Amino acid sequence: KQEVTQIPAALSVPEGENLVLNCSFTDSAIYNLQWFRQDPGKGLTSLLLIQSSQREQTSGRLNASLDKSSGRSTLYIAASQPGDSATYLCAVDNAGNMLTFGGGTRLMVKP
Amino acid sequence: ETGVTQTPRHLVMGMTNKKSLKCEQHLGHNAMYWYKQSAKKPLELMFVYSLEERVENNSVPSRFSPECPNSSHLFLHLHTLQPEDSALYLCASSQVPGSHYEQYFGPGTRLTVT
Repeated sequence: KQEVTQIPAALSVPEGENLVLNCSFTDSAIYNLQWFRQDPGKGLTSLLLIQSSQREQTSGRLNASLDKSSGRSTLYIAASQPGDSATYLCAVDNAGNMLTFGGGTRLMVKP
Repeated sequence: ETGVTQTPRHLVMGMTNKKSLKCEQHLGHNAMYWYKQSAKKPLELMFVYSLEERVENNSVPSRFSPECPNSSHLFLHLHTLQPEDSALYLCASSQVPGSHYEQYFGPGTRLTVT
């Protein structure tokens, strides 16, 4: 059974700092990995999707990497802003869009 | 309306009530999903519908009953729930299950069972 772990569970940084969020998974036979953002009491917003054959994806200040063999992904956020404050979730797809989620990293960026 | 919408946004119900949650997607997708997000637990997949056929139910208790009348609409019928069923219920949609397609989520229904 796939298990997804995100470390740290919570992170507080000053504005402008570059930061890395970590995601690990136990079963490397994945189709893809997806990073989401969730604001308090809201649904999920898809940030980046990395196919199993890819090593990284970039969107603006966000860069996600995937090392399938070691069961790890990182989400890099450059020049963090207070508006980046949210919970970040990673999810892996083992069976055709049936996602297994990690517990999330709650990020606070202080002005 | 655009994207994925869910109604109601908030629902309080007693353990003997029967209620339904509604999800509608305006993205032309043909797969829809129900997820449960409880406090202090990761998001859990409950049901998957692909081309209006249920393909996964993930051992969900029978007090939760999904219905997918067409590719744009998804319902979750609730009856005789327990207080531990209180959670945020999220709906999502995507193209037919496959590795290249992202899932798009609605805003969720916050359910409280008293």
